[in-house]
Amino acid sequence: KAGVTQTPRYLIKTRGQQVTLSCSPISGHRSVSWYQQTPGQGLQFLFEYFSETQRNKGNFPGRFSGRQFSNSRSEMNVSTLELGDSALYLCASSLLLAGVGETQYFGPGTRLLVL
Amino acid sequence: KNEVEQSPQNLTAQEGEFITINCSYSVGISALHWLQQHPGGGIVSLFMLSSGKKKHGRLIATINIQEKHSSLHITASHPRDSAVYICAVLLSESGGGADGLTFGKGTHLIIQP
Repeated sequence: KAGVTQTPRYLIKTRGQQVTLSCSPISGHRSVSWYQQTPGQGLQFLFEYFSETQRNKGNFPGRFSGRQFSNSRSEMNVSTLELGDSALYLCASSLLLAGVGETQYFGPGTRLLVL
Repeated sequence: KNEVEQSPQNLTAQEGEFITINCSYSVGISALHWLQQHPGGGIVSLFMLSSGKKKHGRLIATINIQEKHSSLHITASHPRDSAVYICAVLLSESGGGADGLTFGKGTHLIIQP
């Protein structure tokens, strides 16, 4: 089976712009979780989608949003980019809700640089 | 306050040594994950534990729920084990809810040949 894929892998944006990142889960997986990783804060949970519904949300401002499509592919969007949004954004998929302790399979990440 | 503490932050060892990485947490959890991250960012899930001990090849993970502590052991370490090892917990209802994983800061492991 193909692994989790994320596009694009690298992205450079300027402050105030918006960005959309894409994640395709492993075939058959219904849950997609998104994480942000920065040198200062480490890994932080953004949100989880399951069957096209947001099931859990981390402590991030409303500028961070996401959605999931019927084929389980997910996108996350960050509006009005700030310098502090520069990070590695990782998505992970699992068969069922990650919140019940499912093993998650991570994608390679999208490295976002905000100038 | 960090709910998940890892130690050591950095560890350099010689090939063949037995490695132990520790993770302590302060709240109730329903599961604990050990993750491995190689340079470049890719993360691999090594173990998911809710009790006891698991073994996969040269890797062993244990958890003591009463003491709120988990350890990851690597036997016969090899330079290819060099990576960041991250502990992550899923909070239980009593621990504050299950809003996704809460991560430790990671342990940077270098195995020298």
